[in-house]
Amino acid sequence: DIQLTQSPSFLSASVGDRVTITCRASQDISSSLAWYQQKPGKAPKLLIYTASTLQSGVPSRFSGSGSGTQFTLTISSLQPEDFATYYCHQLENYPFTFGGGTKVEIK
Amino acid sequence: QVQLQESGPGLVKTSETLSLSCTVSGGSISSNSNYWTWIRQPAGKGLEWIGRMYSSGSANYSPSLKSRVTMSVDTSKNQFSLKLRSVTAADTAVYYCARGVTEYGAYLSFDSWGQGTLVTVSS
Repeated sequence: DIQLTQSPSFLSASVGDRVTITCRASQDISSSLAWYQQKPGKAPKLLIYTASTLQSGVPSRFSGSGSGTQFTLTISSLQPEDFATYYCHQLENYPFTFGGGTKVEIK
Repeated sequence: QVQLQESGPGLVKTSETLSLSCTVSGGSISSNSNYWTWIRQPAGKGLEWIGRMYSSGSANYSPSLKSRVTMSVDTSKNQFSLKLRSVTAADTAVYYCARGVTEYGAYLSFDSWGQGTLVTVSS
């Protein structure tokens, strides 16, 4: 199975901060990576797919980059509604796997 | 806009079979560019992929659950289903159904999710 390691697992930040979350894959997954945002009690919401493509309707402050084994999700200016848990997800090989999550909390 | 809705018992007894359905509205379950998937999330933990299938019936399951899982599709009801046999307390989780998107044979994302349903396994 392909392991996805997210860092940090917890992040404390202020509104307006630039935030970067990293996802490292245990083997080359090309650009087959998606990012999701999950708020408490809610289903995950797709933010980014194919590593860097912004899902329709998602604010442009979210961006993704990377390929191969190293990926990043960046929030350029953190907004109050962005406090949530973020997961990376690989769709290159079965079984599809998710990272352990990064919880973004208010400083 | 496609919507998905899980349904099924919220409580299942140990060693019995967990059965869930997911009804798709606003789109066809027979779409060639989509597949249908189940994911679960134990309380306070991360996401675990269970399996995926196309409306044709072809399926792939997580190796860790493969021996106990069956997924099926009912195109007449625009619905797909999950059965997980011989459940234990470790199977207690919120179960999500989701739509997968493909393009030129590549898997892109899970772009639409159900709201999730909590299934508790208890004796």
